[in-house]
Amino acid sequence: NAGVTQTPKFQVLKTGQSMTLQCAQDMNHEYMSWYRQDPGMGLRLIHYSVGAGITDQGEVPNGYNVSRSTTEDFPLRLLSAAPSQTSVYFCASSQGANVLTFGAGSRLTVL
Amino acid sequence: SQKIEQNSEALNIQEGKTATLTCNYTNYSPAYLQWYRQDPGRGPVFLLLIRENEKEKRKERLKVTFDTTLKQSLFHITASQPADSATYLCPCDRGSTLGRLYFGRGTQLTVWP
Repeated sequence: NAGVTQTPKFQVLKTGQSMTLQCAQDMNHEYMSWYRQDPGMGLRLIHYSVGAGITDQGEVPNGYNVSRSTTEDFPLRLLSAAPSQTSVYFCASSQGANVLTFGAGSRLTVL
Repeated sequence: SQKIEQNSEALNIQEGKTATLTCNYTNYSPAYLQWYRQDPGRGPVFLLLIRENEKEKRKERLKVTFDTTLKQSLFHITASQPADSATYLCPCDRGSTLGRLYFGRGTQLTVWP
């Protein structure tokens, strides 16, 4: 059972480039979310989804897009990368009691 | 919005002692809260969940208490070991049932031999 799989683990972008962080879960969880984690700050919610076809914004959604075409996948798109988006990104999923299962993280550097 | 304050950014204790970590919720007492462990370079891992109508939860060497009046949770690790060294997070719900959690900065625990 793989749980939550994130790719890539590391990525370096130049300002203005776009890219997609992939997230897949094999637990048939309805809820999926993306967080970013920056030094000295807690995890902050970017976007979340309560099921296929349904997405909503978290507390720091600007500069990011998401879609949920299947239960398993929840990609995060950076439209035009900025240095302020340098961070570690975590995808998480949950079912029922709101206990989150996190992926291993994707470390993004924007130059 | 909710603000989560953990008692300190870092806690250092000797192996065998009990580690006590504190979380304070400044705006409202959450319906439930959770404790996670995060190791460097990895995602957080769920440890325990406690609801507002529960005073205490235990799991092996771990114990969590929840005081809704004080809006405070205590997390205890008894007989601590160097392998317990990690950052501990205490997110709480955002007042809804949709699994959106507020996270604080966490407390980095170091257990030295």
